Amino acid sequence: EAGVAQSPRYKIIEKRQSVAFWCNPISGHATLYWYQQILGQGPKLLIQFQNNGVVDDSQLPKDRFSAERLKGVDSTLKIQPAKLEDSAVYLCASSKDAYEQYFGPGTRLTVT
Amino acid sequence: GQNIDQPTEMTATEGAIVQINCTYQTSGFNGLFWYQQHAGEAPTFLSYNVLDGLEEKGRFSSFLSRSKGYSYLLLKELQMKDSASYLCAVKATDSWGKLQFGAGTQVVVTP
Repeated sequence: EAGVAQSPRYKIIEKRQSVAFWCNPISGHATLYWYQQILGQGPKLLIQFQNNGVVDDSQLPKDRFSAERLKGVDSTLKIQPAKLEDSAVYLCASSKDAYEQYFGPGTRLTVT
Repeated sequence: GQNIDQPTEMTATEGAIVQINCTYQTSGFNGLFWYQQHAGEAPTFLSYNVLDGLEEKGRFSSFLSRSKGYSYLLLKELQMKDSASYLCAVKATDSWGKLQFGAGTQVVVTP
């Protein structure tokens, strides 16, 4: 079974630029999560999808972050414009039954 | 909201036992997870406790006391490859399985 795929793995941008991350969950997993993990901290949930609907985006900075999950499969997370404090690893995870979450390798974003 | 506390770092010798404690204060509780995260890699699932007691899985065991808001992860017969961050995460009572993670405990295994 293929795991959660994410791209790119690394991204360096200047502040005020835009960036987008892509995630392809495990086939058949209805729930998809985007987490932000700042160095030395645990992952923080940004947004959670159930199929193509949002069930939790309470910690998503909506003035600059947006996410979508078209057709209930792939998802993209966008930051526009980026700030220095957005430097982090962005993890995508998927789950079949809201029990065990399977994480992708993450995208390491550096904002300079 | 939820507050999850775990030690920042622990050091132990290869072959020894290490116990990582996690305490939580939560407005709703529907289970506790432990994940392992090697540097630069994604977290991987280790264990899940929803009822009080000990769950054993090979060299790893996890314990939960809901009344005390306390869990621990026990790593036995430590190996060098066990050097990693161990994340405690509490599952909310909503039906979607939202997890709140602690900051992680960095375990360093020395020869």
